[in-house]
Amino acid sequence: DVKVTQSSRYLVKRTGEKVFLECVQDMDHENMFWYRQDPGLGLRLIYFSYDVKMKEKGDIPEGYSVSREKKERFSLILESASTNQTSMYLCASSFPEKGTQNFGPGTRLTVT
Amino acid sequence: ELKVEQNPLFLSMQEGKNYTIYCNYSTTSDRLYWYRQDPGKSLESLFVLLSNGAVKQEGRLMASLDTKARLSTLHITAAVHDLSATYFCAVEGAQKLVFGQGTRLTINP
Repeated sequence: DVKVTQSSRYLVKRTGEKVFLECVQDMDHENMFWYRQDPGLGLRLIYFSYDVKMKEKGDIPEGYSVSREKKERFSLILESASTNQTSMYLCASSFPEKGTQNFGPGTRLTVT
Repeated sequence: ELKVEQNPLFLSMQEGKNYTIYCNYSTTSDRLYWYRQDPGKSLESLFVLLSNGAVKQEGRLMASLDTKARLSTLHITAAVHDLSATYFCAVEGAQKLVFGQGTRLTINP
């Protein structure tokens, strides 16, 4: 089974802090994705990557950046956390050519 | 811009009943996914529908796709409590998935 892991299940940070969310997958997937999930809004794509050192903006990239230095690892960075970034963050990975995305357990981030 | 809408957003039903969740999308796509999410958990893939008329079934869940109507349905037959969860559809578009808002399904014993 594909395993996608995320570094923390729960995280509490203060406004203005720099926050790193880590995602690791063990199935040699080329594609990796970061979403945020908010009640009533479904999942919204923040950034995605099709290869090492590659990144593409999703629908809501403002306030976020990403890093993919190794194929198995995709990091989401909140440069200066704000309260409106309080959310559930989900990482996913897949093979290219429209493969099913496999999701990690999620990180619930609270910014106070 | 691809938009995906589910309805209903909330559904409370009794065990043993049948019901359908609808997923409408706004632009042409040939691939649609259904996912399940239990409270506090991540998303689990249920079905991938690849072509017009595709039908997939597993247990009490059956999903279908009508690409001409831009509509997918997830039908629940003789619901049981274990099916209580939030169900998402997602449509492939421009190299990424666009998700519906989710349908929170509660099945009462």
